[in-house]
Amino acid sequence: EAQVTQNPRYLITVTGKKLTVTCSQNMNHEYMSWYRQDPGLGLRQIYYSMNVEVTDKGDVPEGYKVSRKEKRNFPLILESPSPNQTSLYFCASSLGGVWNSPLHFGNGTRLTVT
Amino acid sequence: AQSVTQLGSHVSVSEGALVLLRCNYSSSVPPYLFWYVQYPNQGLQLLLKYTSAATLVKGINGFEAEFKKSETSFHLTKPSAHMSDAAEYFCAVTGYYGQNFVFGPGTRLSVLP
Repeated sequence: EAQVTQNPRYLITVTGKKLTVTCSQNMNHEYMSWYRQDPGLGLRQIYYSMNVEVTDKGDVPEGYKVSRKEKRNFPLILESPSPNQTSLYFCASSLGGVWNSPLHFGNGTRLTVT
Repeated sequence: AQSVTQLGSHVSVSEGALVLLRCNYSSSVPPYLFWYVQYPNQGLQLLLKYTSAATLVKGINGFEAEFKKSETSFHLTKPSAHMSDAAEYFCAVTGYYGQNFVFGPGTRLSVLP
């Protein structure tokens, strides 16, 4: 089954403790991206990647890191999480390179930073 | 910079009534537009996309959207609401290479029996 898999689904952590949220897709998609969803703000793009070893900042990249060493994986790294990063995070992928290629989303990771 | 506005953070309709969810965009021409739906505890699913082949776009579950360049709008409609349509709906616009999707703030649709 074609899908985007994120782990974990729920994560509670403390301020400053490094964490990684994994994302993997099995559709051979070129493009992958991370979003955070906050009430009233919709989805805001954190980082995106057009291909392996190619990443770029989205609208809200501060406090986050990503890497794209393999085509299928695009982990999101929070080196020193803070409470304002408490949010619902989504990974998404698409064929990329074409304007009408839709995004396929994972089921989300709900992160709480205390 | 591209942007998307959705009028009404919450819309309530009765079952069987018309659904109208509004989306206006600000983008370089041509815009590439999408509607996504999010059910509780799930990721977003594609409802429909504007391909420039036709201004009226049909999607899944009986939804459709009409692209109106003069009004910079891409409103979503469904003739008859069903209880299962209750969800949050997002309008989105993307760049030419699909590299930077920009989403609207979302509209939560409630369907009353």
